[in-house]
Amino acid sequence: GIQVEQSPPDLILQEGANSTLRCNFSDSVNNLQWFHQNPWGQLINLFYIPSGTKQNGRLSATTVATERYSLLYISSSQTTDSGVYFCAGGGGYNKLIFGAGTRLAVHP
Amino acid sequence: GAVVSQHPSRVICKSGTSVKIECRSLDFQATTMFWYRQFPKQSLMLMATSNEGSKATYEQGVEKDKFLINHASLTLSTLTVTSAHPEDSSFYICSARERGDSGNTIYFGEGSWLTVV
Repeated sequence: GIQVEQSPPDLILQEGANSTLRCNFSDSVNNLQWFHQNPWGQLINLFYIPSGTKQNGRLSATTVATERYSLLYISSSQTTDSGVYFCAGGGGYNKLIFGAGTRLAVHP
Repeated sequence: GAVVSQHPSRVICKSGTSVKIECRSLDFQATTMFWYRQFPKQSLMLMATSNEGSKATYEQGVEKDKFLINHASLTLSTLTVTSAHPEDSSFYICSARERGDSGNTIYFGEGSWLTVV
């Protein structure tokens, strides 16, 4: 099956800093998504981005489908950005295979 | 927007008993729902695909007789952990996609924390 690798596994930032999270897929996916899981476990869908670039406020994502990777950019990080960021995709129609996640801690 | 609700959000049960977790799509119909399990500080692992009106499809390594899934209506799927043991303690999350939606947004429930003592 598809393998999803995320990097870095852990990230500590000072408030206001920028960061880039990466997601690599072992095979092509057509339903790549990024999620944020808050400390209470709630998963929030950030982007559905099988290809191209999207932006939503301080967050943006770029997927290069031909090279099987996606990047999530967080600019001017805030403490509320803390949590775990997952990318997921593949596995068939709407059946998501999740990466191991990037644990982000933003300190004031 | 579409909302998926899970109940209970937290449950503690004794070893050997069964516990049922509900996943409801509150304002849309879902022919397919997905159940995931997440152990502490780990990723989400897909357990099974719940299909309305038919049997669930289980992922490799998931015991279908232990994790009973019923999708009796277009708005409700249930996961029953039978004869629960402490190693079943985990965070269980469901997801759903609106039937007929030409988009690709997956909605996740709030999750259910199961502790088996």
